[in-house]
Amino acid sequence: GQNIDQPTEMTATEGAIVQINCTYQTSGFNGLFWYQQHAGEAPTFLSYNVLDGLEEKGRFSSFLSRSKGYSYLLLKELQMKDSASYLCAVVDSNYQLIWGAGTKLIIKP
Amino acid sequence: ETGVTQTPRHLVMGMTNKKSLKCEQHLGHNAMYWYKQSAKKPLELMFVYSLEERVENNSVPSRFSPECPNSSHLFLHLHTLQPEDSALYLCASSQPTGDLNTGELFFGEGSRLTVL
Repeated sequence: GQNIDQPTEMTATEGAIVQINCTYQTSGFNGLFWYQQHAGEAPTFLSYNVLDGLEEKGRFSSFLSRSKGYSYLLLKELQMKDSASYLCAVVDSNYQLIWGAGTKLIIKP
Repeated sequence: ETGVTQTPRHLVMGMTNKKSLKCEQHLGHNAMYWYKQSAKKPLELMFVYSLEERVENNSVPSRFSPECPNSSHLFLHLHTLQPEDSALYLCASSQPTGDLNTGELFFGEGSRLTVL
């Protein structure tokens, strides 16, 4: 079967750095998405990786290793507004999106 | 107008009721989706429409009936639901870049459904 694993919940301190991991076992790979979802709001696109390496976008970076079936989302200089759920999703060989259950990130002052 | 708008935001219904969820997108996208989001579970794809034609139905019970009258509007008709159908129903749209499902998804804020 296809599977995406993410930690259920993480806690970090304002101003710090946090890394949210995502491992996947899918039938094929055509890219990996990260979305952010604040409580009661719509998920919003953060990043898309299809090649190995690190993609940086402001305070957020996303890394991909296809050989290891692994990605992480790195959040720097954490702010209270970063408290949200972070969803990892992989595009499989049939171009279907396979979703993880999401990681709830709690930021403490 | 925001990108993807869903109504109602909250809905409580009995198991014998008939109700509908509405989604409207103002982004000019060709594909629209219904997802079910339950607590601590992955998003479940329910239906996909591309150019108003249903291209995917992930074995969803017939008590859920989608309708896509045009590329901007998507409905989810609900009939004789079960309590386990209580969840957040998210609508999304995308403009695929070549293959379906590889475009970035733009989500609505969801309709929170409670079935009593």
